[in-house]
Amino acid sequence: KAGVTQTPRYLIKTRGQQVTLSCSPISGHRSVSWYQQTPGQGLQFLFEYFSETQRNKGNFPGRFSGRQFSNSRSEMNVSTLELGDSALYLCASSSNGSPTEAFFGQGTRLTVV
Amino acid sequence: DAKTTQPTSMDCAEGRAANLPCNHSTISGNEYVYWYRQIHSQGPQYIIHGLKNNETNEMASLIITEDRKSSTLILPHATLRDTAVYYCIASGGYNKLIFGAGTRLAVHP
Repeated sequence: KAGVTQTPRYLIKTRGQQVTLSCSPISGHRSVSWYQQTPGQGLQFLFEYFSETQRNKGNFPGRFSGRQFSNSRSEMNVSTLELGDSALYLCASSSNGSPTEAFFGQGTRLTVV
Repeated sequence: DAKTTQPTSMDCAEGRAANLPCNHSTISGNEYVYWYRQIHSQGPQYIIHGLKNNETNEMASLIITEDRKSSTLILPHATLRDTAVYYCIASGGYNKLIFGAGTRLAVHP
């Protein structure tokens, strides 16, 4: 079956702009979580959605937001971009969020200039 | 989620078993131990998880101590393609993984 799909793969934005990233989970999976990976901070949890509801949230400012649609696809939005938001953004899908494996996408590489 | 502690780096000869330790002394009763790995610039890949019993799958074995305060991931016959950063995570089960710095495993010929 198809894996987790993230679009776009690469993105360059200017400081102050906003950006929307998309994640299509594995068919039938209802949980999507988002992560930011930077060389300095490593992999950090952003938030998790299950059945269109945010169930968990990490320690990121309100400029980072997300949503999930009825077909389980998820988007995350970052407003007023800062240079420090340059990172690899990863999403992971899980069937129902209970103790089982999460499948990661290849990520979106965001560069803020 | 409980904090985990792993060695920063390890080396292993190709064909030998790689044993990656993890300490999770504050793990709670409902938290599972997960192992993921990340090969350069790719998304993390699930390896194995367990609660208190030892587990084995086609990729690896997971040995959890009886008191659940530590575990070991075993790659039985390491290959060059197993070179990656390995993450040990204690999680209550939701799709929320708190990654530490992981162990950078280098498999050499």
